[in-house]
Amino acid sequence: AQKVTQTQTSISVMEKTTVTMDCVYETQDSSYFLFWYKQTASGEIVFLIRQDSYKKENATVGHYSLNFQKPKSSIGLIITATQIEDSAVYFCAMRGAGGADRLTFGKGTQLIIQP
Amino acid sequence: GGIITQTPKFLIGQEGQKLTLKCQQNFNHDTMYWYRQDSGKGLRLIYYSITENDLQKGDLSEGYDASREKKSSFSLTVTSAQKNEMAVFLCASSPGSSAETLYFGSGTRLTVL
Repeated sequence: AQKVTQTQTSISVMEKTTVTMDCVYETQDSSYFLFWYKQTASGEIVFLIRQDSYKKENATVGHYSLNFQKPKSSIGLIITATQIEDSAVYFCAMRGAGGADRLTFGKGTQLIIQP
Repeated sequence: GGIITQTPKFLIGQEGQKLTLKCQQNFNHDTMYWYRQDSGKGLRLIYYSITENDLQKGDLSEGYDASREKKSSFSLTVTSAQKNEMAVFLCASSPGSSAETLYFGSGTRLTVL
């Protein structure tokens, strides 16, 4: 069974700084996909970025990047130059590569950006 | 682009009542999901469906039924509403590949009186 753990319940940082959110996972699959999602105050959930387990390069999209440490089963989300609108709950999720399988989510980290 | 529409946005029922939540997607995605989100918690999978008329149980399927009669729609029934299952129910869809992300609806908030 897959398991995703986010130990940081809430993080508060100043605007324009860099923040890292942690995520560790457990899986028996040799190939898998890791995702980060953002849930805004309105409840909307949007996809941010994905890491494929077979890729060594860390994924980057805009001011989001990932710190993928496969030996540690860790996939951290890094947000640089944070903005007020980055305040949200961030979920880490994973899915095995064996087909259209379930996506397993962590419990989320609330990020608060202070002006 | 496409959209996922969940109805109703707010659902109020009595304890013991049978309640149905509906979800429609126009992405033409193969796979659809129902997740439950309790306040301050993550998303837990109730049911998913990889194609029309297919149903797969998630981690939280007890007390729920699901139906996928058309590719574009996926409904969830709470068989006997309980006060401890007040939560937001999120529908999502994705293409068939594991590499593809999920697209979420805006949710149905369930209140049980």
